[in-house]
Amino acid sequence: GAGVSQSPRYKVAKRGQDVALRCDPISGHVSLFWYQQALGQGPEFLTYFQNEAQLDKSGLPSDRFFAERPEGSVSTLKIQRTQQEDSAVYLCASSSGTGGLHEQYFGPGTRLTVT
Amino acid sequence: AQSVTQLGSHVSVSEGALVLLRCNYSSSVPPYLFWYVQYPNQGLQLLLKYTSAATLVKGINGFEAEFKKSETSFHLTKPSAHMSDAAEYFCAVSEYSNSGYALNFGKGTSLLVTP
Repeated sequence: GAGVSQSPRYKVAKRGQDVALRCDPISGHVSLFWYQQALGQGPEFLTYFQNEAQLDKSGLPSDRFFAERPEGSVSTLKIQRTQQEDSAVYLCASSSGTGGLHEQYFGPGTRLTVT
Repeated sequence: AQSVTQLGSHVSVSEGALVLLRCNYSSSVPPYLFWYVQYPNQGLQLLLKYTSAATLVKGINGFEAEFKKSETSFHLTKPSAHMSDAAEYFCAVSEYSNSGYALNFGKGTSLLVTP
């Protein structure tokens, strides 16, 4: 079956523009995570959904970042008024369960460059 | 909070030589530990995970890791490196919070395999 897909794969935005990044998780996966990976660093947690409920958004860097998963499947990460420090790869991961033993399956990421 | 430290941001080995990538964890409770691999412009792929069932964990592509509580370590090894093993490797710990079981990653180790 299909894995996690993300679109667009690459996005260039001028500073101040709004962007929307899409994640299509594996069908039926309950848990969905967003991570931010800066150049040369490991991914860092942004936010977590269990079905359509956003249970944790403590990793979102500022109130310019907003995520939703209205029907419990596709998720969108929106960044308003982009800044240069937002340049990073944004990774989405999904998991079939909610426990720590469940593997997280990662998408290929969206590379955002803010100029 | 649980965390991992990867020693050595770059490791270079000859083809056929032993691969050893180091990871130490910090946790007050028995952790769930993971090793992920990331090829250029791709998402993360799970190599193996420790869930307390056995201290020696075998993963894909000939990799294995040993959980050593006394040393708080979870080093990744492979007896004989292949050119195709060249990639970025991340150690991660899973910690339960409002974010379900989000992963907390190390900074990564870039493995270079030379002919």
